[in-house]
Amino acid sequence: QMQLQESGPGLVKPSETLSLTCIVPGGSISTYYWSWVRQPPGKGLEWIGYIYYSGNTDYSPSLKSRVTMSIDTSKNQFSLNLSSVTAADTAVYYCAGGYSVGYPRFYFQYWGQGALVTVSS
Amino acid sequence: DIVMTQSPDSLAVSLGERATINCKSSQSVLFSSNNKNYIAWYQQKAGQPPKVLIYWTSIRESGVPDRFSGSGSGTDFTLTISSLQAEDVAVYYCQQYYTTPWTFGQGTKVEIK
Repeated sequence: QMQLQESGPGLVKPSETLSLTCIVPGGSISTYYWSWVRQPPGKGLEWIGYIYYSGNTDYSPSLKSRVTMSIDTSKNQFSLNLSSVTAADTAVYYCAGGYSVGYPRFYFQYWGQGALVTVSS
Repeated sequence: DIVMTQSPDSLAVSLGERATINCKSSQSVLFSSNNKNYIAWYQQKAGQPPKVLIYWTSIRESGVPDRFSGSGSGTDFTLTISSLQAEDVAVYYCQQYYTTPWTFGQGTKVEIK
């Protein structure tokens, strides 16, 4: 069972950029699609976007203008940047991975433990 | 976006009894080329990340007990726990991965009666 690990600041000021990184163990980064999913406290799950080792990305339209994902296969990690954050972006951010052949349609087979990011001055 | 609507929002079931959770998608998630419905079910226990139970509507992920089963097609799907155990207390989410943005249901909280 592959265990992903998120890292990054737990507190971000309003209007600044939230940055998180996810470490993928075992050299599997070129095998799967990688996503970010967030969960506001006490609420449900929201998909943010995915990235493939090729650099191909797809973002949720609701966040697309503020999201950038990147991947570094040499370091076995991928990252999320979310700009111009507000209190509404306070959430647990999960990195997750899934497998797909051909057109990317994948469920989230692997998850990190989650990183709570609070947006507050 | 495909809207996923679960029912009920919560349910309390006695140990050993059946729990049934419904999930309805606002449009079909059936890919005609392979006749697969792109629905997954997740279990999230308190303080933990979600864990996939079921994918492609009815395929159990490796290691998932066989008391969990999924069914449905088109726009209506069901997760059934045939005999509820204490460790099944959790929130359950359905998710469509047919088309982006991937979307989740609002969650169903399962408790012991």
